[in-house]
Amino acid sequence: DIVMTQSPDSLAVSLGERATINCRSSQSVFYSSNNKNYLAWYQQKPGQPPKLLFYWASTRESGVPDRFSGSGSATDFTLTISSLQAEDVAVYYCQQYYNIPRTFGQGTRLEI
Amino acid sequence: EVQLVESGGDLVKPGGSIRLSCAASGFAFVNAWMNWVRQAPGKGLEWVARFKSESDGGTTDYAAPVAGRFTISRDDSQNTLYLQMNSLKIEDSAVYYCATSMRSPTFDSWGQGTLVTVSS
Repeated sequence: DIVMTQSPDSLAVSLGERATINCRSSQSVFYSSNNKNYLAWYQQKPGQPPKLLFYWASTRESGVPDRFSGSGSATDFTLTISSLQAEDVAVYYCQQYYNIPRTFGQGTRLEI
Repeated sequence: EVQLVESGGDLVKPGGSIRLSCAASGFAFVNAWMNWVRQAPGKGLEWVARFKSESDGGTTDYAAPVAGRFTISRDDSQNTLYLQMNSLKIEDSAVYYCATSMRSPTFDSWGQGTLVTVSS
């Protein structure tokens, strides 16, 4: 199984400041045949299901604000919020869909 | 609008059984690859099982902790996904979400979840 490891486990950032969350996979999730990274990011707020933010590591899901960005390749990925807003308080998860079983990172709790 | 509505969660004793349902609407269920994902209280997300569409082979896959105890099934005529859970363990306690991929290669549509509590 591909193990996904996020850092940090929790993060406190001031309003308007940058937040950066890292995700590392135990093996590459990059397919050279289509030049794509099989990596997604989710946001989960209390009492709600997860919401997809990015797939292919950096493709923003429709409706996601452009202050959010995803980057990285192979085994190292980053989710960045350029200017933190109050509504961004949530737990963030990375997930690989390179193979089965699909696996998630342990989550990063983002606070103000 | 895509809708996924889970039901069937309950309090169950260790060793017991329960069946969860996920009613789908707003999309072509017959063509969708459907999944169950769970989240233990205060914990992270764990993929449980997948059922490919019949047109893509109709095969199933399971996470190791549930293989042999859980069975995922679907009724395309009723647009409903199921999860039969047998030999339940305390560590199976979680909110169970059904999820699918409508616009992306991964889980872009989720239900609100149903809570299963395994306790004596």
